[in-house]
Amino acid sequence: QVQLQESGPGLVKPSETLSLTCTVSGGSVSSDSYYWSWIRQTPEKGLEWIGYIYNSGFTNYNPSLKSRVTISIDTSKNQFSLEVRSVTAADTAVYYCARFWDWLDPWGQGTLVTVSS
Amino acid sequence: IVVTQSPATLSVSPGERATLSCRASQSVSTNLAWYQQKPGQAPRLLIYGVSTRATGVPATFSGSGSGTEFTLTISTLQSADFAVYYCQQYSNWPGTFGQGTKVEIK
Repeated sequence: QVQLQESGPGLVKPSETLSLTCTVSGGSVSSDSYYWSWIRQTPEKGLEWIGYIYNSGFTNYNPSLKSRVTISIDTSKNQFSLEVRSVTAADTAVYYCARFWDWLDPWGQGTLVTVSS
Repeated sequence: IVVTQSPATLSVSPGERATLSCRASQSVSTNLAWYQQKPGQAPRLLIYGVSTRATGVPATFSGSGSGTEFTLTISTLQSADFAVYYCQQYSNWPGTFGQGTKVEIK
């Protein structure tokens, strides 16, 4: 059974870079059958899909965030990662990683990231 | 594509039927999923392809619709079913979510 777990700092200062890692167990990020995705959730905007990556390194980003976001993959560690640059308070959210093949399943438990000085 | 769910809150007694609606601003064909989220937890996939239940999802959950109008029906509400439900279209990138319907105990 595939499980995903997010990790990273819970507090980031404005203008800095938010960095999160998703560790996959019970499955492989090298799988040809799936993509690997990041989603965030806020009370104001709800669920927002950030982007996804394939084992080849192919990525696709939400146009609303594309200029500030990078998703990368490390097949040797069975992990994929998210960077959001130049963060503001609007980037405060619960960040989820998830396996993706049209629909999202399963999801990690989520991690709250607060942007504050 | 904008996805709109109604109602925002649905008050239902245990054992009763709940009907949740989801509307897309343009046709998404059958590229629609439903998720359940409980407080403090991640969303959980319930249904994909409009009507296919995910592994382990009880038959009390059913989905229907096509194009722009979709419905999630919970035939007999159990205590574990009181949660927030989201629909999501994956016809166009980026996939977009509705704002959710909270199913609460009446």
